[in-house]
Amino acid sequence: NAGVMQNPRHLVRRRGQEARLRCSPVKGHSHVYWYRQLPEEGLKFMVYLQKENIIDESGMPKERFSAEFPKEGPSILRIQQVVRGDSAAYFCASSLRLGQEETQYFGPGTRLLVL
Amino acid sequence: AQSVTQLGSHVSVSEGALVLLRCNYSSSVPPYLFWYVQYPNQGLQLLLKYTTGATLVKGINGFEAEFKKSETSFHLTKPSAHMSDAAEYFCAVTSPRGYQKVTFGTGTKLQVIP
Repeated sequence: NAGVMQNPRHLVRRRGQEARLRCSPVKGHSHVYWYRQLPEEGLKFMVYLQKENIIDESGMPKERFSAEFPKEGPSILRIQQVVRGDSAAYFCASSLRLGQEETQYFGPGTRLLVL
Repeated sequence: AQSVTQLGSHVSVSEGALVLLRCNYSSSVPPYLFWYVQYPNQGLQLLLKYTTGATLVKGINGFEAEFKKSETSFHLTKPSAHMSDAAEYFCAVTSPRGYQKVTFGTGTKLQVIP
């Protein structure tokens, strides 16, 4: 089985442009999580989604950031009007079921560089 | 609120020596604890996890960790370091919300010296 796939692996944007990050969870997984890793820091939770629903977006900046997980297709993390501070690695994880014991499987990440 | 503190952002050990990576947590409810490893430019791979039951947890690649409630610790150990263990290690704890909103520590970079 394929693991979590993320693309692109590297993304370069100029300030003010939009960044779209895609995440395809493990086949059959309906729970998706996005995390951001700033340089020299640990991962920070951004948002948790199930199919067609945002369950918890408490870690996501209120402006310019949005996430979706449609019925068909990958989950998308969208950053509008990027700024240099958005430069980071963005990781997606998925799990099969709900629950604290469920293992999250992480993708390889998308490294966003804002010039 | 939950938090994780990893002592030492960089740890160096000689090949064959004991690896000890420290993690302390704070949680208002019984925690679920994890160790992840991240190799350069890759995603995180689960090493081991503690949920309930036996407090000594064995993971992949010869790593193990012991949950000590009295010390609020979950230190990661390996008896003998291998060059391939050089990576960054993250300790993590879940929130008590019924799903895995994972809180990560800031990470410890392990260097293995030949």
